[in-house]
Amino acid sequence: KNQVEQSPQSLIILEGKNCTLQCNYTVSPFSNLRWYKQDTGRGPVSLTIMTFSENTKSNGRYTATLDADTKQSSLHITASQLSDSASYICVVSANTGRRALTFGSGTRLQVQP
Amino acid sequence: GAVVSQHPSWVICKSGTSVKIECRSLDFQATTMFWYRQFPKQSLMLMATSNEGSKATYEQGVEKDKFLINHASLTLSTLTVTSAHPEDSSFYICSARMGLGTYNEQFFGPGTRLTVL
Repeated sequence: KNQVEQSPQSLIILEGKNCTLQCNYTVSPFSNLRWYKQDTGRGPVSLTIMTFSENTKSNGRYTATLDADTKQSSLHITASQLSDSASYICVVSANTGRRALTFGSGTRLQVQP
Repeated sequence: GAVVSQHPSWVICKSGTSVKIECRSLDFQATTMFWYRQFPKQSLMLMATSNEGSKATYEQGVEKDKFLINHASLTLSTLTVTSAHPEDSSFYICSARMGLGTYNEQFFGPGTRLTVL
């Protein structure tokens, strides 16, 4: 069964600090992995998308890594800001006809002043 | 970037009534649209997949007669929650996809908060 597991479930950090969120997956065959940011009461917004051959991708203060061998990904947030408070969802797409997405349960990040 | 809108953003209705939620792709044609449901502190759960002009494909456990989906054009899909009950209260999110492409990118709408009294 395809699964995506994220850790930690929740995280509180002080403004200006860095943090790293983890994602492990068992989706096969693998197509791509993406990280989304979801503010409370809003839809998810894409941060990064990586295919099998990409092992790092940055989007401003967000840097995602992918290790397709160990089936792990991380999202690193640098110099956190209060506006980074949100849920971060790891989503993996299977390389099948339906291209189904498997969602992680998300990490709820709270940045405090 | 591709923009997907939803209307309404929130709705409160009485038990037993029906509610229609619209999902529009504003600057692209969506060959496929998806409907998700999200309960508090949980991740998105796919309800159904719809392709323009054809019947929606529902996920296991989702009642097709209760959640009616219409995908009449390449820019509009609607979800109608029929005979709504309090347990249908949830956050409903749609997404739209242009085509499979390299990334199979889905663009998400802002969501609709449904509260059934």
